[in-house]
Amino acid sequence: QKEVEQNSGPLSVPEGAIASLNCTYSDRVSQSFFWYRQYSGKSPELIMSIYSNGDKEDGRFTAQLNKASQYVSLLIRDSQPSDSATYLCAVRGGNSGYSTLTFGKGTMLLVSP
Amino acid sequence: DTEVTQTPKHLVMGMTNKKSLKCEQHMGHRAMYWYKQKAKKPPELMFVYSYEKLSINESVPSRFSPECPNSSLLNLHLHALQPEDSALYLCASSQEPGFEQYFGPGTRLTVT
Repeated sequence: QKEVEQNSGPLSVPEGAIASLNCTYSDRVSQSFFWYRQYSGKSPELIMSIYSNGDKEDGRFTAQLNKASQYVSLLIRDSQPSDSATYLCAVRGGNSGYSTLTFGKGTMLLVSP
Repeated sequence: DTEVTQTPKHLVMGMTNKKSLKCEQHMGHRAMYWYKQKAKKPPELMFVYSYEKLSINESVPSRFSPECPNSSLLNLHLHALQPEDSALYLCASSQEPGFEQYFGPGTRLTVT
């Protein structure tokens, strides 16, 4: 059973639209959730962390967490071509233990001008 | 400041060479990590060092060996690598184990 699942995409949206990225996880007791952005050939960059149910907003980014349904999502408002990247969902816990993060395979986002 | 530095940025080595990758953080973080990432795959955890204890992913071959000279430095020693070890090697650190991790820029390794 996969622990952290993401649609690999690509998810294509036009510039200015809202991009919605989703992630589900299998470990019901997971407490910490993170979104990373990774440009091709570069290292992952932390863009959001969320620990409680509900929404967390930071600029154009909103993370949403629903522990009962075991999913976490990332909304990007007013998408820009510079947002084109792979977005990795990471969860603390799972089979890797609670001292490490388990990453999903990532969703590629393409924002067209 | 959330900077993690890694050297070198690029490394090309033959299968008989010995080389080392270096990682440094000055954020007072208590945990440091090495990851390997192949193209279009997520980072794969290799090692975790925290509170003077090393945790190893058992699938990592012995030709990779980590070393932690002090709490802000983490090295990865490479010996007798194979071409399939070519990848982006990422170092990360976190305030505590399991907390949000900050990645360095990575070392692009090519084994010939």
